[in-house]
Amino acid sequence: EDKVVQSPLSLVVHEGDTVTLNCSYEVTNFRSLLWYKQEKKAPTFLFMLTSSGIEKKSGRLSSILDKKELFSILNITATQTGDSAVYLCAVQNSGGSNYKLTFGKGTLLTVNP
Amino acid sequence: SQTIHQWPATLVQPVGSPLSLECTVEGTSNPNLYWYRQAAGRGLQLLFYSVGIGQISSEVPQNLSASRPQDRQFILSSKKLLLSDSGFYLCAWSRIWDSGEQYFGPGTRLTVT
Repeated sequence: EDKVVQSPLSLVVHEGDTVTLNCSYEVTNFRSLLWYKQEKKAPTFLFMLTSSGIEKKSGRLSSILDKKELFSILNITATQTGDSAVYLCAVQNSGGSNYKLTFGKGTLLTVNP
Repeated sequence: SQTIHQWPATLVQPVGSPLSLECTVEGTSNPNLYWYRQAAGRGLQLLFYSVGIGQISSEVPQNLSASRPQDRQFILSSKKLLLSDSGFYLCAWSRIWDSGEQYFGPGTRLTVT
């Protein structure tokens, strides 16, 4: 069974801090790893990673994948209160016919002013 | 642009009552559609997915069912709710059926009493 473990489960920082969120995984047939941000209701897509060592970047957010060690990190620099959310990591399985996503429990990030 | 709607936003139902949650997508044709449940302390769990009208695949055995009567409409149903059906139900769509990049609706908070 595919598995995704995120750490820490929760994190409280001050505005301007830099944070690193971790995601480790076990998957039988790896296709991709994805990061989503869930503020109150609907998760919104952040990144999709398929290759090791290639950083994806969007503004203050960046992410990288290590397929050998089976983990990914999500970095947020110069955090703002609007970054407060649950960050979800998911892995996609390419086995079978459904390319299913398996999600971790998420990291709750709270950014205080 | 594409939008995804879910209703109702919240629902309180007694054990043994029926359930019908609806999801519609606008601005795209032939989307791949998904139903997820997010229970407290657990990650998003895929319940059903559909690659076309009338085509439903189930991921977990349960007393829930799904239907896709129209191209952009996805319905989650139950004949008799259980307490364990409580949770946050999210509908999502993707353009490409094997893509992990999915777009989520605002969700329905279901409480079974």
